[in-house]
Amino acid sequence: DQQVKQNSPSLSVQEGRISILNCDYTNSMFDYFLWYKKYPAEGPTFLISISSIKDKNEDGRFTVFLNKSAKHLSLHIVPSQPGDSAVYFCAARPTGNMLTFGGGTRLMVKP
Amino acid sequence: NAGVTQTPKFQVLKTGQSMTLQCAQDMNHNSMYWYRQDPGMGLRLIYYSASEGTTDKGEVPNGYNVSRLNKREFSLRLESAAPSQTSVYFCASSERPEGNSPLHFGNGTRLTVT
Repeated sequence: DQQVKQNSPSLSVQEGRISILNCDYTNSMFDYFLWYKKYPAEGPTFLISISSIKDKNEDGRFTVFLNKSAKHLSLHIVPSQPGDSAVYFCAARPTGNMLTFGGGTRLMVKP
Repeated sequence: NAGVTQTPKFQVLKTGQSMTLQCAQDMNHNSMYWYRQDPGMGLRLIYYSASEGTTDKGEVPNGYNVSRLNKREFSLRLESAAPSQTSVYFCASSERPEGNSPLHFGNGTRLTVT
């Protein structure tokens, strides 16, 4: 039973437009949420995180939104660039426990 | 600065063979992890070591053993490989095991068991 779900296996957007990647979770004990980006033949790299006491965190072109009542997390990339094409994983962690990852969403940004 | 280094990059085993995947980090991190990545399943935790001298099971530990050799090194052993262990294996490290401490990953080992 997956506690962290990314229901869209892939997403295609035009360069310069907004990319929105979604993530749903079931465990109300999750305290921290992180997004990782993965290029082919490389390991995932940390992108951005958010604590459950916040509802938004921004870092340059990347913004993560957290809706605790809906148990929903989203990553916005504005504007999208071809170099953003990668697989994006959301991950969640309850206090004192290990990260649980979603299945990933492949983002393709077309020039 | 190498970060997290995994060896080998690729490996093909026959069913029943054994092997050890090596991992080393040079960031002086306390915690280290082994994950496997399978299509549509995301990354699943096999074993982790919260600090030097400790190891604990993750979500999918069956068929694996680990050794935290020292603060830098954390190895994963398959004693008798099975086709179900065909996967991409990632080692990771972090400053601490909790909170917002992000994981730093190696580039993976692609293992095929025939």
